[in-house]
Amino acid sequence: DIQMTQSPSSLSASVGDRVTITCRASQSISTYLNWYQQKPGKAPNLLIFATSRLHSEVPSRFSGSGSGTDFTLIINSLQPEDFATYFCQQSSSTPYTFGQGTKVEMK
Amino acid sequence: EEQLLESGGGLVQSGGSLRLSCEVSGFSFSSYAMSWVRQAPGKGLEWVSTITGYGGSTKYADSVKGRFTISRDNSRNTLYLQMNSLTPEDTAIYYCAKDAVVVVPWAGWFDPWGQGTLVSVSS
Repeated sequence: DIQMTQSPSSLSASVGDRVTITCRASQSISTYLNWYQQKPGKAPNLLIFATSRLHSEVPSRFSGSGSGTDFTLIINSLQPEDFATYFCQQSSSTPYTFGQGTKVEMK
Repeated sequence: EEQLLESGGGLVQSGGSLRLSCEVSGFSFSSYAMSWVRQAPGKGLEWVSTITGYGGSTKYADSVKGRFTISRDNSRNTLYLQMNSLTPEDTAIYYCAKDAVVVVPWAGWFDPWGQGTLVSVSS
């Protein structure tokens, strides 16, 4: 199975900050990497698929990059609605696996 | 608007069974692979199973293989998860999720997700 490791597990940030979350795969997954945002008590929402492609209606302050084993989610100018937990997920092969999540909290 | 609505969760004793349903609307159900993903309380996300649009192929996580069965009824726009031999480790919110795009056999990234149904297994 492909293991996905996110860092950090949590971070504190302020509105307007630039936030960087990393995700590392235990083996190459090409660009089959997706990001989800989850708010408390809600289902996850797709943010980015195929490493860097923004899902419809996702604000352009979100961006993704990487390939192979190392990937990054960047949130430019953090907004109040962005405080949430973010998960990466590989879709290179089953079993699909998720990172453990990064909780973005208000400083 | 694409909508997914799960039902069938509840409290069950260890060794028991449950069948989850996910009724969908707003898209051509048979065109898309569908999946179940679960989340234990306060924990991360775990993929459980995926089924192709016409139901001909399925995949399972090792943790549920042989105990859970995914199926679909395209005439009823409904996805199912039959769960047998449940253990406390199966306690989680179970989400159904649609493949974000039409890919044969499946894409593996999910949008949208249902609101989830809670399965609690007591020992």
